[in-house]
Amino acid sequence: AQKVTQAQTEISVVEKEDVTLDCVYETRDTTYYLFWYKQPPSGELVFLIRRNSFDEQNEISGRYSWNFQKSTSSFNFTITASQVVDSAVYFCAIGENAGNMLTFGGGTRLMVKP
Amino acid sequence: DADVTQTPRNRITKTGKRIMLECSQTKGHDRMYWYRQDPGLGLRLIYYSFDVKDINKGEISDGYSVSRQAQAKFSLSLESAIPNQTALYFCATSDSGTSGRRADTQYFGPGTRLTVL
Repeated sequence: AQKVTQAQTEISVVEKEDVTLDCVYETRDTTYYLFWYKQPPSGELVFLIRRNSFDEQNEISGRYSWNFQKSTSSFNFTITASQVVDSAVYFCAIGENAGNMLTFGGGTRLMVKP
Repeated sequence: DADVTQTPRNRITKTGKRIMLECSQTKGHDRMYWYRQDPGLGLRLIYYSFDVKDINKGEISDGYSVSRQAQAKFSLSLESAIPNQTALYFCATSDSGTSGRRADTQYFGPGTRLTVL
């Protein structure tokens, strides 16, 4: 069975600081997919990124970047120059090739203070 | 208009009542899911459906049932609600695509906040 651990339950930073959200996963599959979702205070879940286990290239999208390291089973998420609008709960999830179900981590609540 | 809608958005009910939560999507996706979110536990899968004739139990299906009335509609029922079913419920959809890809990106509705007294 797969498992996702987000050890940081809550992080508080001051605006413009960089912040990294950690995600560690466990899986027996050789092919799997990793996801990050954002849940702002309004409550909806917003898809951020999907990464295939065969693609270990880091990805950057504006102020967001993701570091996938298969050797350590980690898929960390960095926000550069954080803004108040980044305040949200962020979820990491894994989907295995055996089915289309996602297993979510417990989430990290990020608070960005002005 | 939102691609995935859930009704109601908020519901307060009493122990023992039957409750139905509804989900509709206009994304044309074939796969639909129901999750519940509890503080600190992330989202846990209740049921999922890969097409109209396919219904599967998820991690925490006890106390719940579902109905896939059409490709675009997937309802979740609590036959006899109990207080520990108080949670935020999410519907999600995904598209298997012509390649039959697994672990496709799931897109979520806005959530239904259910309180059972």
